[in-house]
Amino acid sequence: DAGVTQSPTHLIKTRGQQVTLRCSPKSGHDTVSWYQQALGQGPQFIFQYYEEEERQRGNFPDRFSGHQFPNYSSELNVNALLLGDSALYLCASSLGGIPEAFFGQGTRLTVV
Amino acid sequence: GQQVMQIPQYQHVQEGEDFTTYCNSSTTLSNIQWYKQRPGGHPVFLIQLVKSGEVKKQKRLTFQFGEAKKNSSLHITATQTTDVGTYFCAGPFRNQFYFGTGTSLTVIP
Repeated sequence: DAGVTQSPTHLIKTRGQQVTLRCSPKSGHDTVSWYQQALGQGPQFIFQYYEEEERQRGNFPDRFSGHQFPNYSSELNVNALLLGDSALYLCASSLGGIPEAFFGQGTRLTVV
Repeated sequence: GQQVMQIPQYQHVQEGEDFTTYCNSSTTLSNIQWYKQRPGGHPVFLIQLVKSGEVKKQKRLTFQFGEAKKNSSLHITATQTTDVGTYFCAGPFRNQFYFGTGTSLTVIP
């Protein structure tokens, strides 16, 4: 039984570019949440997807968008990358909105 | 807005000493979870507390949820080098999940 998987594990992008990160939830889970974790900080909630719709959103600009597919996998897109977007991006999955307990290993994004 | 604070921010202990981190929420939480994140790793779920005043133990780790469900603590007895990492508390508020500021534990052999 695979846990939460994220790809890629590491990514380097140039300021102004766009990036897409991917997440496959744990088997049986239908809800995906995305977090941004800057170095030395706790994870910050970006948004949550359930039934292919964005259900909740944290305090992040519209440059951050997402999508959930019928198989419950999800993508996080960030446009017009800024240096400050450099962080570990974590995906967490859960079932029916029960507070998530399963995190992926994260994607380390570096913007240069 | 909702805030979850943890103290201390950093803690260095000699191996064998005890360690405690405290978590305080600005609002009442329906439940609280604790995670451990090793350097370079991702948060790993440790436990969830739901009831007011609840105490749970996992080997050398003791977790408490306050009576008002606004604070929590994690106590590690006789720390080992494998306990190194950052410990986060986290709780749901209005369908979002708020993580604490974390306590980074260093264990000196």
